[in-house]
Amino acid sequence: EAGVAQSPRYKIIEKRQSVAFWCNPISGHATLYWYQQILGQGPKLLIQFQNNGVVDDSQLPKDRFSAERLKGVDSTLKIQPAKLEDSAVYLCASSPGLAGITGELFFGEGSRLTVL
Amino acid sequence: KNQVEQSPQSLIILEGKNCTLQCNYTVSPFSNLRWYKQDTGRGPVSLTIMTFSENTKSNGRYTATLDADTKQSSLHITASQLSDSASYICVVTSNTGGFKTIFGAGTRLFVKA
Repeated sequence: EAGVAQSPRYKIIEKRQSVAFWCNPISGHATLYWYQQILGQGPKLLIQFQNNGVVDDSQLPKDRFSAERLKGVDSTLKIQPAKLEDSAVYLCASSPGLAGITGELFFGEGSRLTVL
Repeated sequence: KNQVEQSPQSLIILEGKNCTLQCNYTVSPFSNLRWYKQDTGRGPVSLTIMTFSENTKSNGRYTATLDADTKQSSLHITASQLSDSASYICVVTSNTGGFKTIFGAGTRLFVKA
């Protein structure tokens, strides 16, 4: 079974530039998450989708971050304009069923962003 | 406030030794607790899951315990190997009508030869 796919793995940009990350979840998984993981910290939820609807985006900095999950499958996370403090690993995860009822999340390998 | 606290922040042990990582949580209502292993440059992978009624769960050399009364969990690693070097993240899921997952900051384990 294919895992969660993310791209790009690494991205270096200058502040005020824009960047987009892509995620393809495990086939059949209804719930998709984007997490931000700053070095030395645990992942922080940015947004959670159930199919193509948003379940939780309370911690998404909406002035600069946006995400979409068209057709309820793959998803894109965009940052525009980027700030230095956005340097982090962006992890995509998916889970089967309704909003992760078993609690298990299946993670991709992450996209490491460096903002200079 | 729902929180998950882990200790120690980091730990260095010699190969072959045992170690125990701690997790305290204030999450309520409790649904389940998972320990994840995150290798450097990779995404976290689930090691164990424990629900309210479970006290102990093993996965090879990894044994997790849960005390739901004191809201504490531990992850014990037996006969450590170099490949155990990773971050171990305690994650608690709360059933609040929708399921919320709260992550600890992780314990960074270094196993030395």
